[in-house]
Amino acid sequence: GAGVSQSPSNKVTEKGKDVELRCDPISGHTALYWYRQSLGQGLEFLIYFQGNSAPDKSGLPSDRFSAERTGGSVSTLTIQRTQQEDSAVYLCASSLNGRSGESSPLHFGNGTRLTVT
Amino acid sequence: AQSVTQPDIHITVSEGASLELRCNYSYGATPYLFWYVQSPGQGLQLLLKYFSGDTLVQGIKGFEAEFKRSQSSFNLRKPSVHWSDAAEYFCAVGPLGGYQKVTFGIGTKLQVIP
Repeated sequence: GAGVSQSPSNKVTEKGKDVELRCDPISGHTALYWYRQSLGQGLEFLIYFQGNSAPDKSGLPSDRFSAERTGGSVSTLTIQRTQQEDSAVYLCASSLNGRSGESSPLHFGNGTRLTVT
Repeated sequence: AQSVTQPDIHITVSEGASLELRCNYSYGATPYLFWYVQSPGQGLQLLLKYFSGDTLVQGIKGFEAEFKRSQSSFNLRKPSVHWSDAAEYFCAVGPLGGYQKVTFGIGTKLQVIP
């Protein structure tokens, strides 16, 4: 597809369960970002990938959160032992490269809405 | 540390009226500035961006923004608002060069009344 694809679009899970959120970036985009959007909180940076490595994962809220990227493409954000405060929309974005310039605005997916009951 | 301030959480304007959404940033080097729009149930769409050149930049949907270095501001404007402009607007700042995160403001929710 032409855009960033995220799946699932909605996920309801019970407290304590693990969840995996998937992001397919735009083909050829080397940089990939995960953000979290909670009600009234704006976009909270979680982690950034350049290729398969993560130079900046300073935004991951706790060690229950982890992310990986394989083949310089698909990324998975995993949340272990989910808590109610994890409920939010998780947004993925990609850009042509991490070096800002004319070609590097972030392109966002539609997000995964996670609800922890 | 880089930061973005959007002082207005919620703005209401009448259809046809002019609009200005405020954005102030803090950044230690030359910034790369963005405005994104998020319509209800949609992902974020890039409205416009600035990193050099003319400080008044034009974007999609009739929006423009002006970079003012002395005020560390990048305010978004539109001369005449349409009902379809009702959405949430996010200002963001990122690095010009290098591999670093893009930081977003908290967003301004725009309501348009007839």
